[in-house]
Amino acid sequence: EPEVTQTPSHQVTQMGQEVILRCVPISNHLYFYWYRQILGQKVEFLVSFYNNEISEKSEIFDDQFSVERPDGSNFTLKIRSTKLEDSAMYFCASTAGQGSPLHFGNGTRLTVT
Amino acid sequence: QKEVEQDPGPLSVPEGAIVSLNCTYSNSAFQYFMWYRQYSRKGPELLMYTYSSGNKEDGRFTAQVDKSSKYISLFIRDSQPSDSATYLCAMSARGGGSEKLVFGKGTKLTVNP
Repeated sequence: EPEVTQTPSHQVTQMGQEVILRCVPISNHLYFYWYRQILGQKVEFLVSFYNNEISEKSEIFDDQFSVERPDGSNFTLKIRSTKLEDSAMYFCASTAGQGSPLHFGNGTRLTVT
Repeated sequence: QKEVEQDPGPLSVPEGAIVSLNCTYSNSAFQYFMWYRQYSRKGPELLMYTYSSGNKEDGRFTAQVDKSSKYISLFIRDSQPSDSATYLCAMSARGGGSEKLVFGKGTKLTVNP
């Protein structure tokens, strides 16, 4: 069964550094998302992306965050200058479109020290 | 009032028991309702996807939606130790597409052999 793949599985970085989290969505899917889950808290929406542009973003997704689909298969989340509070699991998800469920990857655990 | 509320548990049952998991919500615009299963350090895995009110059955799993009460349930029959995981409810108004999912906090379930 096709799946969403994310790399790396764990990323450790120092405060102030830039990180790029990578995702390969399911190949025929059109909508792409990033969600995050701080330890012990809910899964929270960050951003949705369709047709090479952001469709919707949450208040968490400030100017430090950006997303890109650099080619036909990858979808990336960049955090420009990481903060301690960015430590979380980051999940990529994709869906074929309206009325179709989201499928999630296994996440990247980001630790900011 | 929180948008989606879910009793975090933990819930511990013997193997073979019937498990009932529930969420309530406040946003009457929600029409698409999902249950995800999340194993430790893994991404949410889609279990059930339903639209509007009613029941949906898939093997040992039954999802119920009561929009008039703003209440959704997941029943697991003949529970197995492999069902031990955190169960997340999620919902949205338009389903897939560019719209975000709103998650409950998750209920941690342990099925004891």
